[in-house]
Amino acid sequence: AQSVSQHNHHVILSEAASLELGCNYSYGGTVNLFWYVQYPGQHLQLLLKYFSGDPLVKGIKGFEAEFIKSKFSFNLRKPSVQWSDTAEYFCAVILSGGYQKVTFGTGTKLQVIP
Amino acid sequence: NAGVMQNPRHLVRRRGQEARLRCSPMKGHSHVYWYRQLPEEGLKFMVYLQKENIIDESGMPKERFSAEFPKEGPSILRIQQVVRGDSAAYFCASSPGQGKKEAFFGQGTRLTVV
Repeated sequence: AQSVSQHNHHVILSEAASLELGCNYSYGGTVNLFWYVQYPGQHLQLLLKYFSGDPLVKGIKGFEAEFIKSKFSFNLRKPSVQWSDTAEYFCAVILSGGYQKVTFGTGTKLQVIP
Repeated sequence: NAGVMQNPRHLVRRRGQEARLRCSPMKGHSHVYWYRQLPEEGLKFMVYLQKENIIDESGMPKERFSAEFPKEGPSILRIQQVVRGDSAAYFCASSPGQGKKEAFFGQGTRLTVV
């Protein structure tokens, strides 16, 4: 069965620091990859998605992610975080050949200190 | 085009009562997914439904939980005889079922069992 691993459960950064959140998935076939963000008390919002093509994907709010097929990874990055980026971030996978069942990682809580 | 609508946003139930959570998918979407987010845990898949059919209920607890998606009206997640451990945020997602693989999430229903 497919699974998604997020290695960092809790990350604390100062404003303007660079961010990289790790995400690895286990599935040998073609996948669609997503990063979602959940601000405190709010619902999930899509940050960015990868279906095919350029493995470097740019999303909203200055976030980007790089799909490295050989490493089964889809790490999220942002060059300079802001206090407003404090949230929980979820990596997710949908199998390309199946229905749209989303498998989530356990999430990474990001705390940005002003 | 309204997004995925869930209601109520907050629901408080006493132990032993029934909880009914509603999800109206986006217009044109015929596939609905329910996820549960427990405190300090990630999002767990519960059930996947198409109109009038349960396709995958591998994540549903065997007892007290049921889901439906009738021909007309919203999808309902029903929890009978709630216990404190059912307290969680329940998210619904919908997808068109065809084309690009992506699911759109509602704002969630936060269930508190007292």
